[in-house]
Amino acid sequence: AQKVTQAQTEISVVEKEDVTLDCVYETRDTTYYLFWYKQPPSGELVFLIRRNSFDEQNEISGRYSWNFQKSTSSFNFTITASQVVDSAVYFCAPLNNDMRFGAGTRLTVKP
Amino acid sequence: EAQVTQNPRYLITVTGKKLTVTCSQNMNHEYMSWYRQDPGLGLRQIYYSMNVEVTDKGDVPEGYKVSRKEKRNFPLILESPSPNQTSLYFCASSSLAGVSYEQFFGPGTRLTVL
Repeated sequence: AQKVTQAQTEISVVEKEDVTLDCVYETRDTTYYLFWYKQPPSGELVFLIRRNSFDEQNEISGRYSWNFQKSTSSFNFTITASQVVDSAVYFCAPLNNDMRFGAGTRLTVKP
Repeated sequence: EAQVTQNPRYLITVTGKKLTVTCSQNMNHEYMSWYRQDPGLGLRQIYYSMNVEVTDKGDVPEGYKVSRKEKRNFPLILESPSPNQTSLYFCASSSLAGVSYEQFFGPGTRLTVL
């Protein structure tokens, strides 16, 4: 079974600060996918990104960027110039047939 | 519109009264799953199904049953609910074809067992 550790339970920043959410995972699978989901206060789960375990290229999408390091089994998520609307719980998940989510990191962005 | 639907969205019931939460997807996905979300514990998988008539236990299956008689539906059954099953429940589906594994989530069902 896979295991995910999101060591930061809660993070609070002031608007426009950069913030990095950590994710460390364990898996015995050689092929897997890494996901980040966002859960805003409204409760729904919003897909953010999917990475293939073979592709370690970092990705940037607007203010969001992801740093995948297979050697350290980490898949960290950075929000640049945070905004109040980024306030949410963020879940990291290495997924294959065996679906496991981290406990989540609650991010609060204050104006 | 591609979606996962759950019903009911909110339910308050009493201990021991059997209930079913329905889940339906219109994307022809093979994989369906149920999660419960509790404060500080994230999403924990209850049961999942790789296809029709194929179901497997997740991390926290005790007290729950599921069935997968049709590809689109994956109901969650609580035969004798207890207060420790008070939680927010999510149904999800994904395709096993291709290389995605992205899970599409329903809107959630908030269950309170008194």
